[in-house]
Amino acid sequence: SQQGEEDPQALSIQEGENATMNCSYKTSINNLQWYRQNSGRGLVHLILIRSNEREKHSGRLRVTLDTSKKSSSLLITASRAADTASYFCATDGNTDKLIFGTGTRLQVFP
Amino acid sequence: NAGVTQTPKFRVLKTGQSMTLLCAQDMNHEYMYWYRQDPGMGLRLIHYSVGEGTTAKGEVPDGYNVSRLKKQNFLLGLESAAPSQTSVYFCASSRKSGTALYGYTFGSGTRLTVV
Repeated sequence: SQQGEEDPQALSIQEGENATMNCSYKTSINNLQWYRQNSGRGLVHLILIRSNEREKHSGRLRVTLDTSKKSSSLLITASRAADTASYFCATDGNTDKLIFGTGTRLQVFP
Repeated sequence: NAGVTQTPKFRVLKTGQSMTLLCAQDMNHEYMYWYRQDPGMGLRLIHYSVGEGTTAKGEVPDGYNVSRLKKQNFLLGLESAAPSQTSVYFCASSRKSGTALYGYTFGSGTRLTVV
């Protein structure tokens, strides 16, 4: 069973707009990670947030974590066509492995 | 600057045939993983390894075997391929500091079709 579930499943926006994706998970974690996957390619690690952190930034990415609600969000500001991809959250469940959600497909129109 | 390399990139098998997928990493990572990705299912963990000579089962291990004889290599075997094993297979590697698992480095994937 999937540890993380992303919402929405698909998102379409115009260039310049912000994109927000949400992730919910089921068990306690050490950290939560976000990945991007371009069509036909492998996943690329974007950002990691530890369980004792509430917010983290990396360039145009902003991640929040609410461990009391077992949820996280990924915000991409000022989206570009090149941000078109699938985005996955993954949690470690205090183990040696990551369990991935089903992903959000983001389409950014020029 | 190779990272994680998977071979082959594409393969078509007939039902009942066997094959081995190879994953090699040059980052001296202890942890290695095999996932499969199917449409609408996200990534599901098949098997993983926390060090040379170790292996463990993931969510969907049936029909697969693995070996980690060398730290840099992680092999995934299909003994008797079935159409249900048609998928894209991803290998990944990582390291750990204390209890914190670092981000994965993924390979580019192997697209396997079983007919």
